[in-house]
Amino acid sequence: GDSVTQMEGPVTLSEEAFLTINCTYTATGYPSLFWYVQYPGEGLQLLLKATKADDKGSNKGFEATYRKETTSFHLEKGSVQVSDSAVYFCALRDGDMRFGAGTRLTVKP
Amino acid sequence: SQTIHQWPATLVQPVGSPLSLECTVEGTSNPNLYWYRQAAGRGLQLLFYSVGIGQISSEVPQNLSASRPQDRQFILSSKKLLLSDSGFYLCAWSELRIEAFFGQGTRLTVV
Repeated sequence: GDSVTQMEGPVTLSEEAFLTINCTYTATGYPSLFWYVQYPGEGLQLLLKATKADDKGSNKGFEATYRKETTSFHLEKGSVQVSDSAVYFCALRDGDMRFGAGTRLTVKP
Repeated sequence: SQTIHQWPATLVQPVGSPLSLECTVEGTSNPNLYWYRQAAGRGLQLLFYSVGIGQISSEVPQNLSASRPQDRQFILSSKKLLLSDSGFYLCAWSELRIEAFFGQGTRLTVV
């Protein structure tokens, strides 16, 4: 069945560092891909999405490009802030929604 | 606009007691509905998925059940809770091929 594998955390960075969180997927069809963010004690919020190959999703300085040839959707940000500290989930949708295990990011001042 | 309501926000229940968590969606018709569980420090586990009234798909055999008595109502239940049922439960809805929208979650502690 469909599945998502994302980079295990935790990830700790200094403020203004470059962020990459890797995500790869397995799907039989042509899924839509998503990144969600979860702040402590809250539900998940959509961060960005891409619905077809070569689409780039972007929001709040985060970007991810749908790479069909490598079945990947890596999350990047050029300069992280302390407020970006959260858990990030990669997900795919081709019918139901499937999530990766989540990657905890801590950004230190 | 669409909104999703999930309650209660927190719940402490003794082992062996029943459970009922409710989720309702407003502003959309015939949504896909989901129940996920997030164990402490871990990812999201899909528990149940529904594409319509009375249509429930279960992902894993477990101590829980789900029902969809109305189009925009999704209920997670248990007859007898286990310690291992503790976790953060999230309800979500989506329409075909777009993102899912999540409720604020229920923190369940079984003692």
